[in-house]
Amino acid sequence: AQTVTQSQPEMSVQEAETVTLSCTYDTSENNYYLFWYKQPPSRQMILVIRQEAYKQQNATENRFSVNFQKAAKSFSLKISDSQLGDTAMYFCALSGGSNYKLTFGKGTLLTVNP
Amino acid sequence: DVKVTQSSRYLVKRTGEKVFLECVQDMDHENMFWYRQDPGLGLRLIYFSYDVKMKEKGDIPEGYSVSREKKERFSLILESASTNQTSMYLCASRMVLGNQPQHFGDGTRLSIL
Repeated sequence: AQTVTQSQPEMSVQEAETVTLSCTYDTSENNYYLFWYKQPPSRQMILVIRQEAYKQQNATENRFSVNFQKAAKSFSLKISDSQLGDTAMYFCALSGGSNYKLTFGKGTLLTVNP
Repeated sequence: DVKVTQSSRYLVKRTGEKVFLECVQDMDHENMFWYRQDPGLGLRLIYFSYDVKMKEKGDIPEGYSVSREKKERFSLILESASTNQTSMYLCASRMVLGNQPQHFGDGTRLSIL
């Protein structure tokens, strides 16, 4: 069975600062994918970033980057230069090997304050 | 851009009613998914479909069924709605080639009275 744990139910950050959201996971698969999804208030869930487990290089998308520690089964999301529009629920998710079902964490509600 | 459309943003039904939630995607994706989202529980998979007429139970299928007669449409059915099925329901679709990520609809907030 796959599990995803987000230990921070809520976080806040000042505009323009950097914040890191934590995620740990467990899977018996050797090949798997990790994702961060963002769900703004009353809006659609969208993909922020994804990481393929066999790639050692950490994924980066503009102000969003991950710190993927495979041995520690850790997958944190760093948001640089936080903007008000980054206020959202963030979900960490895992899909393992040929099993394309996503297992989600419970989410972290991030608030960016002006 | 991928478009996943759910038929209703808000829906109110009564206990015991048969409820249909519809989801349509326009990108010829093979896989489609239904989740429910509850505060503090994240997203939980109800059912998913590999392809047309193919379906598999997710983690919480009890009280639900699904139908996928056409590739673009995936329906979630609450056979006899109960108050504990009040929730946000999210549909997603995904292309198999390249192990693409899932794309989500806007969600349907369903209230069972």
